[in-house]
Amino acid sequence: QVQLQESGPGLVKPSETLSLTCTFSGDSISVNNYYWGWIRQPPGKGLEWIASISDGGTTIYNPSFKSRVSMSADTSNNQFSLHLNSVTVADTAVYYCARHRSSRSPFDYWGQGTLVTVSS
Amino acid sequence: EVVLTQSPGTLSLSPGERATLSCRASRSISSSYLAWYQQKPGQAPRLLIYAASTRATGIPDRFSGSGSGTDFILTINRLEPEDFAVYYCQQYSTFPPKTFGQGTKLEIK
Repeated sequence: QVQLQESGPGLVKPSETLSLTCTFSGDSISVNNYYWGWIRQPPGKGLEWIASISDGGTTIYNPSFKSRVSMSADTSNNQFSLHLNSVTVADTAVYYCARHRSSRSPFDYWGQGTLVTVSS
Repeated sequence: EVVLTQSPGTLSLSPGERATLSCRASRSISSSYLAWYQQKPGQAPRLLIYAASTRATGIPDRFSGSGSGTDFILTINRLEPEDFAVYYCQQYSTFPPKTFGQGTKLEIK
């Protein structure tokens, strides 16, 4: 059973960089041609896809975030990370990591989510 | 960007009834690339349906999906108490970005 767990600071100051890590188990980032993504949900609102990375390091970014976002993967530790810079209060949200089997696949496994608040 | 519009925003039904949720795309998408998710309060979304009509692993057969082009439907037969939640559609045909609908809240009447 694939399990994903988000980790990172729950509070980030405006203009700083939000950095989150997703650690997963039950699969290997370098064995299968999977993609790993980040989706966020502001309080009381809907879902927004941010970015995804393949096990080979190919990244896909939502153009709405492209100038502020980057992803990286640590294959040796089954982890991938999200970095979102120049955050504002509008970036306050629950951030989920999730797996999708290919670039054209749905998100089949999700982490429980982590709330990140942007506030001074 | 493909915009997905879900309707209704809120649907009030009783256990045992049938729910019909709609997802309309701003332009035609391949039915192979449309999914439905269920989200309960405080939980992550759960994949219900992918490729418009294929149930994900472990999803009861009272959930079914249909549609093509720009119009897609999620049907839930014989509503159970645990089915009351928010439902999202998502397209992964044309990206970036992968987009979600704004959600339909299914509440107990």
